[in-house]
Amino acid sequence: AQSVAQPEDQVNVAEGNPLTVKCTYSVSGNPYLFWYVQYPNRGLQFLLKYITGDNLVKGSYGFEAEFNKSQTSFHLKKPSALVSDSALYFCAVRDGGSYIPTFGRGTSLIVHP
Amino acid sequence: SQTIHQWPATLVQPVGSPLSLECTVEGTSNPNLYWYRQAAGRGLQLLFYSVGIGQISSEVPQNLSASRPQDRQFILSSKKLLLSDSGFYLCAWRGASGGSGQYFGPGTRLTVT
Repeated sequence: AQSVAQPEDQVNVAEGNPLTVKCTYSVSGNPYLFWYVQYPNRGLQFLLKYITGDNLVKGSYGFEAEFNKSQTSFHLKKPSALVSDSALYFCAVRDGGSYIPTFGRGTSLIVHP
Repeated sequence: SQTIHQWPATLVQPVGSPLSLECTVEGTSNPNLYWYRQAAGRGLQLLFYSVGIGQISSEVPQNLSASRPQDRQFILSSKKLLLSDSGFYLCAWRGASGGSGQYFGPGTRLTVT
């Protein structure tokens, strides 16, 4: 079984400040972890993934995520937020042997000017 | 490069009418294909996935069906729409390699009246 939790429905941050969007997961095998972003009335866009290797993963648009095995977390981060980062963010996990990822409920990121 | 197309972008249909949504992928072969529905509350619900031509797995029993007549074509259908079928329908593909993330189409906004 696999599951993912995004504990915050909404995150508010001021432009220029660092941002963190939290994600924790549960999976029986090796976790494959993903972050996606969705702008209004658009499909999800792939941001980054962790499969193996370095715990800090860098992705698109300056985003990065840190895999923490002991805390079963995969938080999304960005050093300096932009107003244009405002969107809905989804974390997803997939057991390495599965075709089907499990998505979190999404976190709405609002970056204030 | 790979691209994914969905059409139509928006659709308004009366209750009891049929439905056909189409998704095609270019630039890859033998992709894993997925249909999701996203309700107003934001969460993604997996409806169907396919690992090959003619191979369809249903995740949720309902009045929808899916078909994969060609390697890079995935069709979502219904014989009679219900009000509860309204939502944002997303098609996605994933490469056959184990660590690949999913790539989503632009979505179809379906309103059943």
